[in-house]
Amino acid sequence: EPEVTQTPSHQVTQMGQEVILRCVPISNHLYFYWYRQILGQKVEFLVSFYNNEISEKSEIFDDQFSVERPDGSNFTLKIRSTKLEDSAMYFCASSVGGFYSGNTIYFGEGSWLTVV
Amino acid sequence: GQQVMQIPQYQHVQEGEDFTTYCNSSTTLSNIQWYKQRPGGHPVFLIQLVKSGEVKKQKRLTFQFGEAKKNSSLHITATQTTDVGTYFCAGPGAGNNRKLIWGLGTSLAVNP
Repeated sequence: EPEVTQTPSHQVTQMGQEVILRCVPISNHLYFYWYRQILGQKVEFLVSFYNNEISEKSEIFDDQFSVERPDGSNFTLKIRSTKLEDSAMYFCASSVGGFYSGNTIYFGEGSWLTVV
Repeated sequence: GQQVMQIPQYQHVQEGEDFTTYCNSSTTLSNIQWYKQRPGGHPVFLIQLVKSGEVKKQKRLTFQFGEAKKNSSLHITATQTTDVGTYFCAGPGAGNNRKLIWGLGTSLAVNP
């Protein structure tokens, strides 16, 4: 079965440092997402990306965050200057289409970010 | 803002007992999705319900979507230890099909 892959699986970074989390969505998918999950809490939407641009973002996705699709396969999340509260599991996800037409959203295994 | 609530937050059952988790949205949903997350794992899509009053079954799992499309339930018959995990419901954000609003999840523990 096709899968979304994410790297790194775990990253420890110092507060104030920049972090880039990488994702390779499923190849024929058109919609890409980043979600995060703080330990023990619910999954929170960060951003969705379609047709090479952000289509929706949450209030969490402030100016410290950016996303890019630098080539035909990678989808990255950059956190410019990390804060302690950015420590979380970050999930990349992708889907063929939007949610209205029964499309399944596939999640990667996550990148666990620890900010110290 | 739009909220999706789930109860209970935790459930501890003996293997073989049934389990139900309930999901309620503050707004009408175009569809609702259920995910399972094993401890330390990532969310895995289980099912999507679209129609009012829809009922779908996957082996021992029964999913229902309320008539008003604001609530949903997941029922597991005769739980097994492999059912352990957190079950999340999620629905599209109002007016947008590309953002999922998630419930807090129900964590299920099963005693063998």
